[in-house]
Amino acid sequence: GAGVSQTPSNKVTEKGKYVELRCDPISGHTALYWYRQSLGQGPEFLIYFQGTGAADDSGLPNDRFFAVRPEGSVSTLKIQRTERGDSAVYLCASSLIQTPNSPLHFGNGTRLTVT
Amino acid sequence: GENVGLHLPTLSVQEGDNSIINCAYSNSASDYFIWYKQESGKGPQFIIDIRSNMDKRQGQRVTVLLNKTVKHLSLQIAATQPGDSAVYFCAENPGGYNKLIFGAGTRLAVHP
Repeated sequence: GAGVSQTPSNKVTEKGKYVELRCDPISGHTALYWYRQSLGQGPEFLIYFQGTGAADDSGLPNDRFFAVRPEGSVSTLKIQRTERGDSAVYLCASSLIQTPNSPLHFGNGTRLTVT
Repeated sequence: GENVGLHLPTLSVQEGDNSIINCAYSNSASDYFIWYKQESGKGPQFIIDIRSNMDKRQGQRVTVLLNKTVKHLSLQIAATQPGDSAVYFCAENPGGYNKLIFGAGTRLAVHP
């Protein structure tokens, strides 16, 4: 079956612009996560959705970052007034249920470059 | 993601040898641990997990060991193959959902 799909795979934008990154989770997965991975480092948690609601957004770095999941399936991560420090790979993951023994399935990420 | 592995510690092994990748975790409250494999340009791929009430778990060619006393995890790969070349991350889960804390990663290079 299809895995987690993220689009675009690469995004180059100018400093100050607005970007949207899309995630299509595995069908039927109720939990959805966004992580960010900087070069040479492990992924860092950004936000977690259970259904349509953001259950934990404590990892979002500041108020320029926002994410939605209006119908409990596809999610969009939105970044306003991008900065060069936002350059990273943004990973989306989903799991069947939210408990720890339901493994995360990651997409291949969107590589964001802010020039 | 792309270029995963730059500036990471590297373990070089010969094809057919056994590999051991180590990880120190940070939170004493963590009760679930996972190893992920990440190839260049791809997202992390689940390998094996272990709960804190266990100290060893085996999968196909992989074994994870957990030492809670010193907060240490290891991943053992038997008969390492070229396809095992990747960056390996340990992750810990201190909470009730998958808000994972990832380690820094180790690059495994398998030479024929």
